[in-house]
Amino acid sequence: SAVISQKPSRDICQRGTSLTIQCQVDSQVTMMFWYRQQPGQSLTLIATANQGSEATYESGFVIDKFPISRPNLTFSTLTVSNMSPEDSSIYLCSAWTGLEQYFGPGTRLTVT
Amino acid sequence: AQTVTQSQPEMSVQEAETVTLSCTYDTSESDYYLFWYKQPPSRQMILVIRQEAYKQQNATENRFSVNFQKAAKSFSLKISDSQLGDAAMYFCAYRRNYGGSQGNLIFGKGTKLSVKP
Repeated sequence: SAVISQKPSRDICQRGTSLTIQCQVDSQVTMMFWYRQQPGQSLTLIATANQGSEATYESGFVIDKFPISRPNLTFSTLTVSNMSPEDSSIYLCSAWTGLEQYFGPGTRLTVT
Repeated sequence: AQTVTQSQPEMSVQEAETVTLSCTYDTSESDYYLFWYKQPPSRQMILVIRQEAYKQQNATENRFSVNFQKAAKSFSLKISDSQLGDAAMYFCAYRRNYGGSQGNLIFGKGTKLSVKP
């Protein structure tokens, strides 16, 4: 199994600013992902965080808006840039261990 | 493209009773995984059960079991002896198996389960 922590757990940010979310896994994992979950909705994949190379983004998500880093096999960051109220959501980090996929507790972001 | 459909937005069950949540999926692949995740109000996604497509035997985890019908592309979750703590959003998910590396999860829209005391 894998235990995933995220910081911050929640934040309220002003329009036009940026927020960086950190994700730490307690063991080395093959793949890490970032998801967005809007209230009452399912999860939407933003990107796959690749260790040592650029992230792979899903349709509708771009690097300039959601830059991602993954400096090693246990850590990743997601930045939400130039925020607008439409970015208000829960952002979840996830990791694939080779057998199962685990999720962090999420970061609740509110943009005012 | 793969899709996952959960046709029951909400379900309700009496405590100690049994409930079945439905999930169907569409794929042209033969090698894949299926999962059920539970998300309580705390929003932590918890893996409930996993099924490998190549295994005919249905997975079970204590009070949770699945009915996996590969030909019908159906993957339902049965919760026996329901408890108040089972109340949550339940998501069905699919993952294609690329041999040594796996793709990402594709989620259904979820089923909100209420448990009545």
